[in-house]
Amino acid sequence: DGGITQSPKYLFRKEGQNVTLSCEQNLNHDAMYWYRQDPGQGLRLIYYSQIVNDFQKGDIAEGYSVSREKKESFPLTVTSAQKNPTAFYLCASGYRGRVTDTQYFGPGTRLTVL
Amino acid sequence: KNQVEQSPQSLIILEGKNCTLQCNYTVSPFSNLRWYKQDTGRGPVSLTIMTFSENTKSNGRYTATLDADTKQSSLHITASQLSDSASYICVVSDGGATNKLIFGTGTLLAVQP
Repeated sequence: DGGITQSPKYLFRKEGQNVTLSCEQNLNHDAMYWYRQDPGQGLRLIYYSQIVNDFQKGDIAEGYSVSREKKESFPLTVTSAQKNPTAFYLCASGYRGRVTDTQYFGPGTRLTVL
Repeated sequence: KNQVEQSPQSLIILEGKNCTLQCNYTVSPFSNLRWYKQDTGRGPVSLTIMTFSENTKSNGRYTATLDADTKQSSLHITASQLSDSASYICVVSDGGATNKLIFGTGTLLAVQP
């Protein structure tokens, strides 16, 4: 898991509620990423950020929002507009512009909508 | 469509035995191919990364091969241990400025005593 932390590890949410997942890294990485993992599917990119105060939509951004106010932090908000939010969420970080560099993943947050 | 396909979907082997996992990709352009190990309920951890010009790369008991002509890769695990039980994910980068990764669905390996 390196120097990336995610909290909480488990999260339960009622339908209609927004919830924010935390991701912090102390690796001095410029780029940070949010992925969603569902059973039987590969990881899918939700949002990514290559620099503070800038972020881009990934392949499945609908129903999610992010902010990047600090280099170390990249929180993800799952809004009530996300139709099927129950999943395992992974945050990752890496060096911007160095495509051969590894992306380091956090331990993940499992979100369950009740 | 950029895709990464892995086989088998799952595999059971006895402790001490070797095994080989397969990955086929149709990603273009191609920059590099990575293998990750993901323990249940944890984040993936990088095992190897190979660029276009590399044919093989080792990390302890893990050896990855890459054939860029046929767009195939394999991960060979030697003398398996119980701790090797995990999902192994093949990931291909399209080489863009954003380092976009295309993930396979993984091979779930169970090593039994």
